[in-house]
Amino acid sequence: KNEVEQSPQNLTAQEGEFITINCSYSVGISALHWLQQHPGGGIVSLFMLSSGKKKHGRLIATINIQEKHSSLHITASHPRDSAVYICAVSTSGNQFYFGTGTSLTVIP
Amino acid sequence: GAGVSQSPRYKVAKRGQDVALRCDPISGHVSLFWYQQALGQGPEFLTYFQNEAQLDKSGLPSDRFFAERPEGSVSTLKIQRTQQEDSAVYLCASSSLNYGYTFGSGTRLTVV
Repeated sequence: KNEVEQSPQNLTAQEGEFITINCSYSVGISALHWLQQHPGGGIVSLFMLSSGKKKHGRLIATINIQEKHSSLHITASHPRDSAVYICAVSTSGNQFYFGTGTSLTVIP
Repeated sequence: GAGVSQSPRYKVAKRGQDVALRCDPISGHVSLFWYQQALGQGPEFLTYFQNEAQLDKSGLPSDRFFAERPEGSVSTLKIQRTQQEDSAVYLCASSSLNYGYTFGSGTRLTVV
């Protein structure tokens, strides 16, 4: 049983395309996190959100608490956006649940 | 340092060998987490510290895994009598209250 489900699992896009990655979760959360993982394993935290919407540069993250769903959008995608994007949720007990990630490849 | 530092970056161990993985969190970060990430999978929670107290170790897969953070800063994850299924990337993250989490680059452990 996966507490966090992501889709799609793999995504290939042309440079400039608008990209959406979806995340659904089944547990009660205190926050939802979008993480970026590059080859080699290092993880960067992109967003932590508990309601509404956050924007950072070309990245936008939204969350709908009632529907237990979040989306990560990338506008004007670029090859350097190629990475694995991981959705994770944290509970009030500081337990983390991770999705298996979406592998994004942006082709020039 | 500016980020979470993990060492070694890569470790190859012979089956049965003990290993120790180090995590140096961001100074002042109260919370510290260890995760195990198998190839092609998302990270799986191992254990969580708040200062020096290990508040949750429910994710440790067996009693061969042991973590400590004796002074509430640097943490060590020790794996005794390593097995091939222990091969994974071990990630450490630290956080301060609700200001988000900072991850280290991980230690890639290969047991041969």
